[in-house]
Amino acid sequence: GAGVSQSPSNKVTEKGKDVELRCDPISGHTALYWYRQSLGQGLEFLIYFQGNSAPDKSGLPSDRFSAERTGGSVSTLTIQRTQQEDSAVYLCASSLAPSGRGTGELFFGEGSRLTVL
Amino acid sequence: AQKVTQAQTEISVVEKEDVTLDCVYETRDTTYYLFWYKQPPSGELVFLIRRNSFDEQNEISGRYSWNFQKSTSSFNFTITASQVVDSAVYFCALSDPTSYGKLTFGQGTILTVHP
Repeated sequence: GAGVSQSPSNKVTEKGKDVELRCDPISGHTALYWYRQSLGQGLEFLIYFQGNSAPDKSGLPSDRFSAERTGGSVSTLTIQRTQQEDSAVYLCASSLAPSGRGTGELFFGEGSRLTVL
Repeated sequence: AQKVTQAQTEISVVEKEDVTLDCVYETRDTTYYLFWYKQPPSGELVFLIRRNSFDEQNEISGRYSWNFQKSTSSFNFTITASQVVDSAVYFCALSDPTSYGKLTFGQGTILTVHP
């Protein structure tokens, strides 16, 4: 597709289970970002990938959160031993370059809504 | 640390009214970018504008205009002659100088435009 694709769109899980969220960025975009949107915390940066460089993990809230990006394209965000406070919408975004050449636009997906019971 | 404040949680206007969304930011960086994003009910964030910290010229795009003032650390957004389709959540954001896609977002302003 033409835009950023995320799956699943909705995920309900039980506390303590692991979940994986997938992001397929726009073809050719070298930079990929994960953000989290929750009622209490608003929109928060989680992690950022740029090409083959080591990811910037400075926004990950705990060591239960991890992410990888394979082949410079698809990314998976993994949350282990989920807690109720992990309930949020997880948004993925991609851009042509980290410096945001051109308009500096991030292209966002529609998000994966995670509910932890 | 960076911070973005959108003091208006919700704004309600009637169609054709003008409306201004306020944004105040804090940063110690001399180089940064400011952004506005729109989030319609569908949930997907849509880019509206990016402004470089060295460029204080105001910008107009159709019914949208932006007023950037470094002296007051503000980057306000005005919609002229609002329309129902403008109803959305609007976010102001500030970039990290090491990566312009690493954003600190404000809490957002919910704009409702009534017919």
